[in-house]
Amino acid sequence: SQQGEEDPQALSIQEGENATMNCSYKTSINNLQWYRQNSGRGLVHLILIRSNEREKHSGRLRVTLDTSKKSSSLLITASRAADTASYFCATARPHQLTFGKGTKLSVIP
Amino acid sequence: GAGVSQSPRYKVAKRGQDVALRCDPISGHVSLFWYQQALGQGPEFLTYFQNEAQLDKSGLPSDRFFAERPEGSVSTLKIQRTQQEDSAVYLCASSLAGQTNEKLFFGSGTQLSVL
Repeated sequence: SQQGEEDPQALSIQEGENATMNCSYKTSINNLQWYRQNSGRGLVHLILIRSNEREKHSGRLRVTLDTSKKSSSLLITASRAADTASYFCATARPHQLTFGKGTKLSVIP
Repeated sequence: GAGVSQSPRYKVAKRGQDVALRCDPISGHVSLFWYQQALGQGPEFLTYFQNEAQLDKSGLPSDRFFAERPEGSVSTLKIQRTQQEDSAVYLCASSLAGQTNEKLFFGSGTQLSVL
């Protein structure tokens, strides 16, 4: 079963705009991670935020975590055509990393 | 190796055939995971190894699915008597330490089509 739920399922924006994706989950977690998947490829780790952290930055990525609401958001600033991919949140529990269904992002040049 | 390697990249099987999918994790990585990803869905957890020990196999959908990692490095996922619903991409991932509190490195997957 998939614990995380991303929202929206699909997002289409113009190059240069910001993209925001949300993730909600159901049970307590050790950490939450975001991954990117280009079509036909494996997943690539983007960023990890621990349960005692509220915000984290990495380059053009900003992740927030609200454990009281069991939700996280991923912001990609100044998007590029190369950011076109599916984005997944994953919640970590002992021996499992559980993925959501993903947000499909299309960045139009 | 430089990354997680999976073979074959594509596999076509007739219904009822047995298949074996191979995963070569990054050298020295303790943890190894198998995931199943249906078209348009997120990866679904199948099983987890810490070295050669299979610590969690709760995601294996039926007793037709079997995974092993006998020497704590290469892993094989075997599916017996394949069914059409087994068609999916099977992803392998590894991480350095024996816990899930760190990032996973994924292979490109094996796309299985059962006809």
